[in-house]
Amino acid sequence: QVQLQESGPGLVKPSQTLSLTCTVSGGSISSGSYYWSWIRQPAGKGLEWIGRIYTSGSTNYNPSLKSRVTISVDTSKNQFSLKLSSVTAADTAVYYCARGISAAWYNWFDPWGQGTLVTVSS
Amino acid sequence: EIVMTQSPATLSVSPGERATLSCRASQSVSSNLAWYQQKPGQAPRLLIYGASTRATGIPARFSGSGSGTEFTLTISSLQSEDFAVYYCQQYNNWPSFGQGTRLEIK
Repeated sequence: QVQLQESGPGLVKPSQTLSLTCTVSGGSISSGSYYWSWIRQPAGKGLEWIGRIYTSGSTNYNPSLKSRVTISVDTSKNQFSLKLSSVTAADTAVYYCARGISAAWYNWFDPWGQGTLVTVSS
Repeated sequence: EIVMTQSPATLSVSPGERATLSCRASQSVSSNLAWYQQKPGQAPRLLIYGASTRATGIPARFSGSGSGTEFTLTISSLQSEDFAVYYCQQYNNWPSFGQGTRLEIK
């Protein structure tokens, strides 16, 4: 059974770069036709898709965040990562990684990691 | 961007009764719609994909219907563990979520 686990700093200063890693266990990140996504949720609010990566390295990003987001994959470590630059307080949220599955071009998500809270504050 | 609108924002239902949650898309998403359940402090859990297909391990009391722009999640007989927040998500274009419906005990 595939499981995902986010890791990274819980506190980031404004204008700096937020960096998170998702470690996939219970299966190879390269097996199957899956996409690997990042999704975030500000406290008490809804969910926002940030972007995704395929194990080939192909990426797609939410247009509203595209200029600040980079998602990469390390298949040797069974991990994928998120970098979000020039952060502000509006980027404070719980960040989830998730496996994307679909018969269409884009994905539904299953399973999800447990989430990690990132706070942007000086 | 495809905007997903869920209604109502909060639904109060008694255990054992039926709950009906609605989700509307700002443009057609065909059947490319999923539903998730989220409990406090937990990640969302996939319930339904393809508008009506239950995910693995999801009880039969959960059912989804609809296509195009109008979708419904029905929980036929509410159990105590079903009280949570429910989100719809379209994946016909880059993914977007509704703002959620909070299902609370009446």
